[in-house]
Amino acid sequence: GENVEQHPSTLSVQEGDSAVIKCTYSDSASNYFPWYKQELGKRPQLIIDIRSNVGEKKDQRIAVTLNKTAKHFSLHITETQPEDSAVYFCAASISGATNKLIFGTGTLLAVQP
Amino acid sequence: DVKVTQSSRYLVKRTGEKVFLECVQDMDHENMFWYRQDPGLGLRLIYFSYDVKMKEKGDIPEGYSVSREKKERFSLILESASTNQTSMYLCASSIGSLREQYFGPGTRLTVT
Repeated sequence: GENVEQHPSTLSVQEGDSAVIKCTYSDSASNYFPWYKQELGKRPQLIIDIRSNVGEKKDQRIAVTLNKTAKHFSLHITETQPEDSAVYFCAASISGATNKLIFGTGTLLAVQP
Repeated sequence: DVKVTQSSRYLVKRTGEKVFLECVQDMDHENMFWYRQDPGLGLRLIYFSYDVKMKEKGDIPEGYSVSREKKERFSLILESASTNQTSMYLCASSIGSLREQYFGPGTRLTVT
């Protein structure tokens, strides 16, 4: 079945450094790739998404890149701050099921002040 | 602001009990989802609904059923709770396809 692999599972960076989280998907027909951030004890919230007709998207300190040939996409956070500490989930749409997403297993990002 | 609410934040039930988890959204979204969140496993889709009385199985539907009698409300039912259903349950809603999903605060269910 469809699968999304996410790495690393934990990531610790110093404040001000960059963080990169990578995901690989299996369904070549996937065309929507959102990223969700879940702070401790809170609900997941969308931070950025990208569609298959775009290779890169940026929003202030966060960016997402998509390589459809290799079937992987990445989240880049620059100039990390302590408030970036959270669990980040990638997801990919499932072909033929326009409302369904399959999520990665999550990355716990810790930004050390 | 989209608001998705869940009936309980914490719930403790006994093995074999019938459990109802309710989710309500106030933005007239067509799609509603139930996920289960477990450490190291991410978010796994249990069921989703794209319209009133319509439902589709997700990746882990065994042991669960759902009900959507009104557009704003989506219920998850555990017919006979078991200890392996102890988990965090998250409801979400979205409008249209391939759009942002808005999550509720979650219900932490413990089955003893």
